[in-house]
Amino acid sequence: DIQMTQSPASLSASLGETVTIECRASEDIYNGLAWYQQKPGKSPQLLIYNANSLHTGVPSRFSGSGSGTQYSLKINSLQSEDVASYFCQQYYNYPNTFGAGTKLELK
Amino acid sequence: EVQLVESGGGLVQPGRSLKLSCAASGFTFSNYYMAWVRQAPKKGLEWVATISTSGSRTYYPDSVKGRFTISRDNAKSSLYLQMNSLKSEDTATYYCARPYYGYKDVMDAWGQGASVTVSS
Repeated sequence: DIQMTQSPASLSASLGETVTIECRASEDIYNGLAWYQQKPGKSPQLLIYNANSLHTGVPSRFSGSGSGTQYSLKINSLQSEDVASYFCQQYYNYPNTFGAGTKLELK
Repeated sequence: EVQLVESGGGLVQPGRSLKLSCAASGFTFSNYYMAWVRQAPKKGLEWVATISTSGSRTYYPDSVKGRFTISRDNAKSSLYLQMNSLKSEDTATYYCARPYYGYKDVMDAWGQGASVTVSS
């Protein structure tokens, strides 16, 4: 199985700050990567797919980038509603696998 | 509005069985693959099963293959997960999820989750 290593595990940032979350795959996943946001007590929500395609309705302050084995999620101008856990998922190869998550809090 | 509502969760002893259901509405259920994804307490997400639009093809990770069975009833817009030989490590919140159209593994709609606790 492809292992997804996500970093950092937790992160504290201030309102308006730019935040970057990284995800490293154990092998090339050819941009088969999605990012999800899970707010406390809620279900996950799709943010990004194909490494850099913004899902419908997702604010443009979210962006994804990367290739090969290294991917990142960037949040520009952090808002209070962005407090959540973020998960990456590779779907290039069976079985699809998720990163362990990054918990984002406000400083 | 897309809605996915799970039911059937609860406390079950190791080795026993449980069946989850998911009622879908707000979209043409028969046009979409469907899936189950679980999340152990304070842990990450784990894909559990996927089923094709007609139900003829099913997919599982090794961790549940042979114990879990995903099925669907398109006439009732319902998805099911039969879980047999349950283990303590199956304790989790189980989400019914709809893959993004054209994708099998990218989930763009999720239910609120059904809690399953496997304990004696």
